[in-house]
Amino acid sequence: GAVVSQHPSRVICKSGTSVKIECRSLDFQATTMFWYRQFPKQSLMLMATSNEGSKATYEQGVEKDKFLINHASLTLSTLTVTSAHPEDSSFYICSARQSAQGPFYGYTFGSGTRLTVV
Amino acid sequence: GNSVTQMEGPVTLSEEAFLTINCTYTATGYPSLFWYVQYPGEGLQLLLKATKADDKGSNKGFEATYRKETTSFHLEKGSVQVSDSAVYFCALSRNSGNTPLVFGKGTRLSVIA
Repeated sequence: GAVVSQHPSRVICKSGTSVKIECRSLDFQATTMFWYRQFPKQSLMLMATSNEGSKATYEQGVEKDKFLINHASLTLSTLTVTSAHPEDSSFYICSARQSAQGPFYGYTFGSGTRLTVV
Repeated sequence: GNSVTQMEGPVTLSEEAFLTINCTYTATGYPSLFWYVQYPGEGLQLLLKATKADDKGSNKGFEATYRKETTSFHLEKGSVQVSDSAVYFCALSRNSGNTPLVFGKGTRLSVIA
């Protein structure tokens, strides 16, 4: 089946530094990837929709300059948390939909990245 | 807009008990419906799905039927195991375009031996 590889799975960084999270679709092309954030014991909150070759679409309340999204190829999307602060500590998950035009195969999720900012 | 409402947990059951987690949705058109499971410290895994009314999704003993008349997609399992302890998310999506999943708040299930 389709696989989305996300890494790192865990990262600890110092306050004020930047962290990049990568998501790769391994056996399919993902023209669109979705980035979610999950607080402890809560649901997934959609942060942004990443479109290959164009600017990401951010949800209301998500800072574009803090959460930089790049989707330079059909198999790779990155989320960079810039100037991280402890309140950015969270679980970040990416997701890709396998096909928008063909038969509906559903969504595949990365395994998530736990970010801790100290 | 589209939304998903699922019963709040936590739900604690004894092993071999019957499980029901209620999920209802609000959507325009005819969405696809999903149940995802998240084990501690991990990402989400698709448990089952249904893409049209009256479809039944099933996997690993779990079942859910797409009920258009009641806008529901309740998750059921006849006999739970300790290994089923996880958080379960009900979700919906539109069937066209690159639109994201809309999730319910999740229901934490704990199964005790």
